[in-house]
Amino acid sequence: DGGITQSPKYLFRKEGQNVTLSCEQNLNHDAMYWYRQDPGQGLRLIYYSQIVNDFQKGDIAEGYSVSREKKESFPLTVTSAQKNPTAFYLCASSMRGPHTEAFFGQGTRLTVV
Amino acid sequence: AQKVTQAQTEISVVEKEDVTLDCVYETRDTTYYLFWYKQPPSGELVFLIRRNSFDEQNEISGRYSWNFQKSTSSFNFTITASQVVDSAVYFCALTIQSGGSYIPTFGRGTSLIVHP
Repeated sequence: DGGITQSPKYLFRKEGQNVTLSCEQNLNHDAMYWYRQDPGQGLRLIYYSQIVNDFQKGDIAEGYSVSREKKESFPLTVTSAQKNPTAFYLCASSMRGPHTEAFFGQGTRLTVV
Repeated sequence: AQKVTQAQTEISVVEKEDVTLDCVYETRDTTYYLFWYKQPPSGELVFLIRRNSFDEQNEISGRYSWNFQKSTSSFNFTITASQVVDSAVYFCALTIQSGGSYIPTFGRGTSLIVHP
């Protein structure tokens, strides 16, 4: 089935550790996005990529890093520099163009313990 | 800059009531697209509808209907005869034509709770 797969669904991290969230899509989409969702905050854009080997910072990129070495993969690393990493993280992809809807993964809930 | 406002944080209704979710947007672009997404408790956002700025025709799909009014910059979503399965967080989003980035701007979402 075509879609976006995020893993793991739940992730626990100790303070001071980096952690990488996986996002894979088989929809042949050029654009991929990472959003962070906190209660009452809606979706806030962390990073986005519209083509392989290129990505741009979103509104809240500090403390995060990404790579886009393959079209189907857009992993997000939450570094120890992120002050408040506990949140729900959503990955999405779309075809290029403003008229296209985004397809979302099921999310990863990260908890810092 | 673009902005999407969903002023209703949470709405609680009893099953079979009609409910309208408000969405107000801001953009200086004349060509733009509006979207509604549903986020059930499982977490994955699901696309519901898209509307471009040149098409103000309202749309109905089963119990769902959408009212797009450029004069008030609104794209409201109505659920008729709500059901418990409609309980979810609903997001309105906007993308614009210019600039080349096509990044969707989301509202903060409205949590709809439908009680049996």
